[in-house]
Amino acid sequence: QQQVKQSPQSLIVQKGGIPIINCAYENTAFDYFPWYQQFPGKGPALLIAIRPDVSEKKEGRFTISFNKSAKQFSLHIMDSQPGDSATYFCAAVSTLLNAGGTSYGKLTFGQGTILTVHP
Amino acid sequence: DGGITQSPKYLFRKEGQNVTLSCEQNLNHDAMYWYRQDPGQGLRLIYYSQIVNDFQKGDIAEGYSVSREKKESFPLTVTSAQKNPTAFYLCASTVAGGPTYEQYFGPGTRLTVT
Repeated sequence: QQQVKQSPQSLIVQKGGIPIINCAYENTAFDYFPWYQQFPGKGPALLIAIRPDVSEKKEGRFTISFNKSAKQFSLHIMDSQPGDSATYFCAAVSTLLNAGGTSYGKLTFGQGTILTVHP
Repeated sequence: DGGITQSPKYLFRKEGQNVTLSCEQNLNHDAMYWYRQDPGQGLRLIYYSQIVNDFQKGDIAEGYSVSREKKESFPLTVTSAQKNPTAFYLCASTVAGGPTYEQYFGPGTRLTVT
């Protein structure tokens, strides 16, 4: 059961273009929505994250747009560069309690989008 | 240099053999996680551990086992019971009380079983 659905699977843009990656979720218990960036042969790294009470968050050239009623969020990359070529994962965090009463976050990832930015 | 190390980078095994993947962190993080990455499926949680000597199954724990004897170490054993073990395995960690969405990942181990 895929709780976070991501599209498209792959995306090709020219340098300077604005790639948009979309994600949709069903579980309303998710309380954080991060995006991770992964270069080939490396582990993912946190790029940007948003809380569900905010509709937009911008960090540099990366912007998350969040639509709580539609249960959708998206990543926009402004003025994309060849160095942005990577796989991007959206994720959703649910906060759970362990047996000892300590809270922890569980990440549920989307399927990933392979972005290629041509020079 | 603080970070997460996974070794080896590439691992080859014959079908029917158990294999253990190493994950070490010097970030003083309490929680550690193991994920499996397959093309088109994203990352799926295998096991996680919040404290030493305690760990919990994730979404796809069947055929895997873990131990957490030290805070710095969280090795994953892929057993012969895992039906399709060939994959890219990622270890991650987070600090207790920090942003739960901010997981730090190691460079991964690519396991090929033939």
